[in-house]
Amino acid sequence: QVTLKESGPGMLQPSKTLSLTCSFSGFSLSTSGMVVSWIRQPSGKSLEWLAAIDWDGDKYYNPSLKSRLTVSKDTSNTQVFLKITSVDIADTATYYCARRPGSGVFDYWGQGVMVTVSS
Amino acid sequence: DIVLTQSPALAVSLGQRATISCRASQSVSTSSYNLMHWYQQKPGEQPKLLIYDASNLASGIPVRFSGSGSGTDFTLTINPVQADDIATYYCQQSRELPLTFGSGTKLEIK
Repeated sequence: QVTLKESGPGMLQPSKTLSLTCSFSGFSLSTSGMVVSWIRQPSGKSLEWLAAIDWDGDKYYNPSLKSRLTVSKDTSNTQVFLKITSVDIADTATYYCARRPGSGVFDYWGQGVMVTVSS
Repeated sequence: DIVLTQSPALAVSLGQRATISCRASQSVSTSSYNLMHWYQQKPGEQPKLLIYDASNLASGIPVRFSGSGSGTDFTLTINPVQADDIATYYCQQSRELPLTFGSGTKLEIK
């Protein structure tokens, strides 16, 4: 059974670096075509795709945030990480990780982790 | 970026048909695929995949959900609408990066 779960600091101050972890099971990120993405959603607003990393270690970023994002994975292919530098109040959102199994769809999502940027 | 436009809300009566539209700023179809997908999101929950490649029902999704469209115009249909379908529905394109989502259509009961 496929599961993903996000974890993060909950709250952090402006200008700091946000570090998020996506821990997953039930599939392998080393499977050809497999991708794990990060998506965020401010309260009451729509979804914004942020970044992705694929089975081969290739990384993809939303150009609107690319300079501030770093996506990576662990060597055991069971966790994916996202760092966002210089956070601002506008980065307050629920952050999701989701699986993309070789197609363009997100077929499994984590429950999301809420992150608040506040001084 | 490909912009996806959805109406903010739709009110329907239980047992009736709901038609939710999504218009893309440019074609999201290839010669082989219509790269538009639909998700349902209930309050406090993560999005759930309903329809992929415009018209394919995701695993475990009731057959009262269906999708259609090609090019720039796509539709999600729920027929008949049940109380459990009250949610916000998002379209998403995978034709090109960055992947983008529509602004969402909130389904309400009339």
